[in-house]
Amino acid sequence: EPEVTQTPSHQVTQMGQEVILRCVPISNHLYFYWYRQILGQKVEFLVSFYNNEISEKSEIFDDQFSVERPDGSNFTLKIRSTKLEDSAMYFCASIGQDNYGYTFGSGTRLTVV
Amino acid sequence: GESVGLHLPTLSVQEGDNSIINCAYSNSASDYFIWYKQESGKGPQFIIDIRSNMDKRQGQRVTVLLNKTVKHLSLQIAATQPGDSAVYFCAENPGYSSASKIIFGSGTRLSIRP
Repeated sequence: EPEVTQTPSHQVTQMGQEVILRCVPISNHLYFYWYRQILGQKVEFLVSFYNNEISEKSEIFDDQFSVERPDGSNFTLKIRSTKLEDSAMYFCASIGQDNYGYTFGSGTRLTVV
Repeated sequence: GESVGLHLPTLSVQEGDNSIINCAYSNSASDYFIWYKQESGKGPQFIIDIRSNMDKRQGQRVTVLLNKTVKHLSLQIAATQPGDSAVYFCAENPGYSSASKIIFGSGTRLSIRP
């Protein structure tokens, strides 16, 4: 079964450093998303991406965040200057043209110290 | 699994019994609803979905019921098994497109008694 692949599975970074979280969505999917989940809490929407541009973003997705699809397979989330409160699981998801159900990756656990 | 932070409602069920997990959603304009299962350390996994023009949908061992009048969603799991232990989230799509963002509920932790 096709999967959304995320790397790394765990990233530890110092406060103020830049991090890039990587995702490979399912190959024929067209819509891409980042969600995050602070430990023990619910999953929160960050941003959606379609046709090489952001479709929608939440208030969490401020100027410190950016997304990019640098080639035909990767979808990245960059946090320019990490803060302690950015520590969370970050999930990438994708959805196809005719598929109503998201497919989520296994996530990247980001720990900011 | 980890349980720091928001306290999740917990449902404890005897193995083999049926489980019913409930969810209240907020947006009366939402027309698409999904149940996700999340095991410890993993991403949400799609279980079953339902559109607002239906009030019931069945899958393998799972049934979703939708009551739009009271904005209530439930997930029924038949003959609960140890592998069903997880946190279950309902999610709604309040957007104009099936590709719009989805909004997750706060989740219910299902534990299975042997």
